[in-house]
Amino acid sequence: ETGVTQTPRHLVMGMTNKKSLKCEQHLGHNAMYWYKQSAKKPLELMFVYNFKEQTENNSVPSRFSPECPNSSHLFLHLHTLQPEDSALYLCASSPGGLKNTEAFFGQGTRLTVV
Amino acid sequence: AQTVTQSQPEMSVQEAETVTLSCTYDTSESDYYLFWYKQPPSRQMILVIRQEAYKQQNATENRFSVNFQKAAKSFSLKISDSQLGDAAMYFCAYSFGNEKLTFGTGTRLTIIP
Repeated sequence: ETGVTQTPRHLVMGMTNKKSLKCEQHLGHNAMYWYKQSAKKPLELMFVYNFKEQTENNSVPSRFSPECPNSSHLFLHLHTLQPEDSALYLCASSPGGLKNTEAFFGQGTRLTVV
Repeated sequence: AQTVTQSQPEMSVQEAETVTLSCTYDTSESDYYLFWYKQPPSRQMILVIRQEAYKQQNATENRFSVNFQKAAKSFSLKISDSQLGDAAMYFCAYSFGNEKLTFGTGTRLTIIP
């Protein structure tokens, strides 16, 4: 059983749809991340939240909108996506603070934009 | 900026044999963490092993061990007695202080029965 849970596992959406990805961690961590993993490309960091505050937005298009209501939950709101946004979206958490160590990952959401 | 390089996109090894995956990184810091993650077909990234840069002793976890060469900025992963369940993508990663993880591009490991 993972300490980081992502829902849904799979999502197919049209380019005009609005959907949200959810991530929940039960590890007491203070930092949460969204990564995008496309085929044949390196893992791309999208957003970082530390103690509920967004500390990094890695030049992500505005059609991706993160939300972190508390240290345990992280959302990624999606709207008017493009087919090239199809990818595996991974959520991760880590202790945060000045001595950040390893990140723990969820199982990912496989997103297909049609 | 920190970078992590994995120069082997694919590797294969006979079952029960030993394989070494390479990783180099670039940093100006002296106290940082290095990690190896495994991503099997189930997609979940699983931490395999962790090395703290201020520790000279190489980390070991059962059949997994690292060769950490700080001066050379090299951090290779050795898998002994390879098993079919070791087949996966392996990612090397770096972190410093309160910064996020920086990942390499990964090495796909195939185990030959």
